[in-house]
Amino acid sequence: EPEVTQTPSHQVTQMGQEVILRCVPISNHLYFYWYRQILGQKVEFLVSFYNNEISEKSEIFDDQFSVERPDGSNFTLKIRSTKLEDSAMYFCASSDGGTSVGYTFGSGTRLTVV
Amino acid sequence: QKEVEQDPGPLSVPEGAIVSLNCTYSNSAFQYFMWYRQYSRKGPELLMYTYSSGNKEDGRFTAQVDKSSKYISLFIRDSQPSDSATYLCAMTVSGGSYIPTFGRGTSLIVHP
Repeated sequence: EPEVTQTPSHQVTQMGQEVILRCVPISNHLYFYWYRQILGQKVEFLVSFYNNEISEKSEIFDDQFSVERPDGSNFTLKIRSTKLEDSAMYFCASSDGGTSVGYTFGSGTRLTVV
Repeated sequence: QKEVEQDPGPLSVPEGAIVSLNCTYSNSAFQYFMWYRQYSRKGPELLMYTYSSGNKEDGRFTAQVDKSSKYISLFIRDSQPSDSATYLCAMTVSGGSYIPTFGRGTSLIVHP
């Protein structure tokens, strides 16, 4: 079964450093998403991406965040200057249409900011 | 008032029990209602979804939506230890971006 692949599975970084989280969505999917889940809290939407541009973003997705699809397979989330409160699980998801019922999530990257 | 409320549990049941997981919501515009299962250290996996009100059955799982009460349920029959996971409800409006709003998730433990 097709999977969404995320790397690394765990990243530890110092406060103020830049991190890039990587995702390989399912190959025929057109919509890509990043979500965040702080330990013990709900899954929160960050950003959606379609046709090489951001289609929607949440209040969490401020100027410190950016997304990119640098080639035909990868989808990245960059955090420019990490803060302690950025520590969370970050999930990438993709879908073949605009409705959320078709989401496939990756296994996530655990980001720890120290 | 939070948009989607879900008791975090944990809910501990013996193998074979019928499990009832529930969410309440405040936004009457929600039309799609989804249940995701999340195993430890994994991403959410879509179990099933319903559109508007009514019931939907898939094997041992039944999803119910009561829009008049703004209340949704997921029932698991003949629960198995492999059902032990966190169950997330999610919902979205019809039309627009379909970005779902998630509940906190309920941790379910099925013990042999």
